[in-house]
Amino acid sequence: SQKIEQNSEALNIQEGKTATLTCNYTNYSPAYLQWYRQDPGRGPVFLLLIRENEKEKRKERLKVTFDTTLKQSLFHITASQPADSATYLCALGSSNTGKLIFGQGTTLQVKP
Amino acid sequence: EPEVTQTPSHQVTQMGQEVILRCVPISNHLYFYWYRQILGQKVEFLVSFYNNEISEKSEIFDDQFSVERPDGSNFTLKIRSTKLEDSAMYFCASSFFYSLHDNEQFFGPGTRLTVL
Repeated sequence: SQKIEQNSEALNIQEGKTATLTCNYTNYSPAYLQWYRQDPGRGPVFLLLIRENEKEKRKERLKVTFDTTLKQSLFHITASQPADSATYLCALGSSNTGKLIFGQGTTLQVKP
Repeated sequence: EPEVTQTPSHQVTQMGQEVILRCVPISNHLYFYWYRQILGQKVEFLVSFYNNEISEKSEIFDDQFSVERPDGSNFTLKIRSTKLEDSAMYFCASSFFYSLHDNEQFFGPGTRLTVL
């Protein structure tokens, strides 16, 4: 069955450092992969989308890579700030109906 | 900035009762979705809706669930006879256009459903 794995342990880093989050998947061939941010008690907020034929995408301090051979995406936040503290969700899509399959998320804590 | 809204923010109901969760998607969006998130677990897809019909539904979305777009602005999720295991946060989402290249989904703040 399809499986998406994100680091279940919280990631704690110091302000100013680069945070790197991992998303691995099996038994799936996504057409695209998305990253969302979720704060406690709130809905996910879209951050970035990367397509299957793209290797890397950037947006301000965010960078996403997508390796369809390794079946892995890496999500980087450079110059991290305490305001970046949240849970980050990886989501895969491939159907023609918009359905997204989410990973369980990785909680990032940026300490000042 | 346009946003997806959901009401109520919290719904408490007795097992076996019917509940209707309401959503107002972003006005020019064409694709609508419901997801749920049981406390401490991942966000799970329930159903997608386009052109006034269901496009896809998950195995969770059984005969107890239904969706409707009763007018040009609202999108509802009905659970006919709630069970304890339906307790979760329910998120509505919408997107303007779906293709295999773009499917940015905008999520609402969620409705927390508690079934007693």
